[in-house]
Amino acid sequence: GQQVMQIPQYQHVQEGEDFTTYCNSSTTLSNIQWYKQRPGGHPVFLIQLVKSGEVKKQKRLTFQFGEAKKNSSLHITATQTTDVGTYFCAGKKGEGNKLVFGAGTILRVKS
Amino acid sequence: DAGVIQSPRHEVTEMGQEVTLRCKPISGHNSLFWYRQTMMRGLELLIYFNNNVPIDDSGMPEDRFSAKMPNASFSTLKIQPSEPRDSAVYFCASRAGTTTYEQYFGPGTRLTVT
Repeated sequence: GQQVMQIPQYQHVQEGEDFTTYCNSSTTLSNIQWYKQRPGGHPVFLIQLVKSGEVKKQKRLTFQFGEAKKNSSLHITATQTTDVGTYFCAGKKGEGNKLVFGAGTILRVKS
Repeated sequence: DAGVIQSPRHEVTEMGQEVTLRCKPISGHNSLFWYRQTMMRGLELLIYFNNNVPIDDSGMPEDRFSAKMPNASFSTLKIQPSEPRDSAVYFCASRAGTTTYEQYFGPGTRLTVT
């Protein structure tokens, strides 16, 4: 079945350092979404990428969708303590509403 | 907008008991999803509905799990009988129409089966 692999599982950075999480699918995706879950909270939608090679920015966050629409990345520049949480990618293949979530990357920021 | 509402927020029950989790999606949303989150298995889709109709229940672990959506504003996930391995956080999420794919998650129900 469709799988979405996400790495790394865990990253601990010093405040001010950059952070990147990567997502890879075994099949071509129609779109990919990114969510953030704070400790003890619920996943919250960040962004959706649809086009091949698409790049979107939200302040210090940069999201990319690969040319083949099989991989994606989220990069955070100059992390802050408010960035802590788990970042999930979620891929959608074809029609329908089903999203397949990656395992998530846990980010801890040391101040 | 109140967002997705789930109840109860916490549930502790003994093995063998029936558990019913409830969800009220955002008004006007026509898709509803039930997820289960554990440390071992991450975030898993159990079942989703479009316009109150179950579309994909391939993620439902076994016959002990059942879900219903009797109307556009209410859904239940039932586990009967419950087992300790069902302990997890269960999230309900809803989504607005076919032009956007963003899912709005509820606060979750933390289930502990002893």
